[in-house]
Order: sequence, then C-alpha cells, then structure tokens
Amino acid sequence: GAVVSQHPSWVICKSGTSVKIECRSLDFQATTMFWYRQFPKQSLMLMATSNEGSKATYEQGVEKDKFLINHASLTLSTLTVTSAHPEDSSFYICSAIMGQMNTGELFFGEGSRLTVL
Amino acid sequence: AQKITQTQPGMFVQEKEAVTLDCTYDTSDPSYGLFWYKQPSSGEMIFLIYQGSYDQQNATEGRYSLNFQKARKSANLVISASQLGDSAMYFCAMREGTNNNDMRFGAGTRLTVKP
Repeated sequence: GAVVSQHPSWVICKSGTSVKIECRSLDFQATTMFWYRQFPKQSLMLMATSNEGSKATYEQGVEKDKFLINHASLTLSTLTVTSAHPEDSSFYICSAIMGQMNTGELFFGEGSRLTVL
Repeated sequence: AQKITQTQPGMFVQEKEAVTLDCTYDTSDPSYGLFWYKQPSSGEMIFLIYQGSYDQQNATEGRYSLNFQKARKSANLVISASQLGDSAMYFCAMREGTNNNDMRFGAGTRLTVKP
C-alpha cells in the first residue's frame, strides 16, 4: 500500500520554542493531507485539512497562529507548533489521500510524539 | 454532537475466540463510509476494513468482518480467531458525503487478547 512518513517520530523541546513536523507521501501525490492530534488514551481529533497550494482549513477551536500548516508540494505537508507549551504535548498524526477517499484510501503516518518541557 | 460512538472502553477476549467491538454512528447524509482502524502501542494507524453506505453485503477482510446494520446505524467489527497480536486500540471512523474528505473517529476500544 501507499506509504506516508512522518518526521520526527519523537521530539522533546523547551517551552517557548517552535517545532516542525513533516509529513511526506513517499510513493504517491497527495492533494489533501490531514493533521490529527491524539492525547493519551483518547481518540484522534482532526485539527486541520491541508490542501496543496492553498491555506489549510482548521477545525473549530484550533488556533491557526499556534499550529501553522504548510502544504507546499503534493508530497509534503508540515505542521509547526509555534511557541510550544507543555499543554501542546501530544501525539500528532498526519494522513494523506490519494485521489478521492473511498475504500480506505486514507494513509496514515507513523505519528510524532511531542513533549514540551 | 458525537458522530461516532464506541461504548466499550476496554474488551477482553480469550485467544482463538471471536470478539465483537461495537460502533454506532449518526449522520443524515445518505452517502457515507465507515472504517475500522487498529492502533498498536507503537502508534501507527492500520486500516482494517471499509463499509460503504450503499454496500449490500457486509464487508469482510480475512479475520475481520463488519456487521453493518444500517437501520440501527451500527457498524460493529467482528474479529474471529483472536490472536495475541490483535491486542491494540481499535477505532471506528466515518466519512460523510462523496466530496467531504475528512474522517471522524470514535473514542476507541482497547482490546486485550488473553493467552
């Protein structure tokens, strides 16, 4: 199946710094990518939908200036957590669509675990 | 409003037995897709099975089958012949409409397979 890769898998940073997480579709072009956030023992919560070449669409309650999303190419979307604070510590997962989502064509990255000290 | 409901926070099953994980959903869109994903402790999301709202037959994929009851708006996952490696979190998810590409997830069920 298609492969989506996230980097880094783990990141620890100091409060106040910014962290960039990359999501790459390795063997297909992804017109749309999604960013999810998952707190421990909880479900995935959609943060934003990222379309190549246009601004991301954020879910209600997600701060646009806090979570910067850039989808500059068909194979790369980035999530930057700006001025991170301990409450931003979470598991961030990206997913990508190859064409129209139909029969499970939503491919997930391995996830990135962010810990803010 | 919660669109996907998984009422079982945790389930236990004996190895080699079958287990059913419950999922109910809420939508007014006649076109939708239902998905089940497995998330082991490593965190990656593994696609298991898909059911379309217009599909006449219940979906099956190996040891996984989906008990789709449209009138009840339920899409339970049945895992047959459980294996120790099936221990993981299981998420039910739904995508509404034909052009709406986002996917919403239930709270998840943690399955533990006992030897």
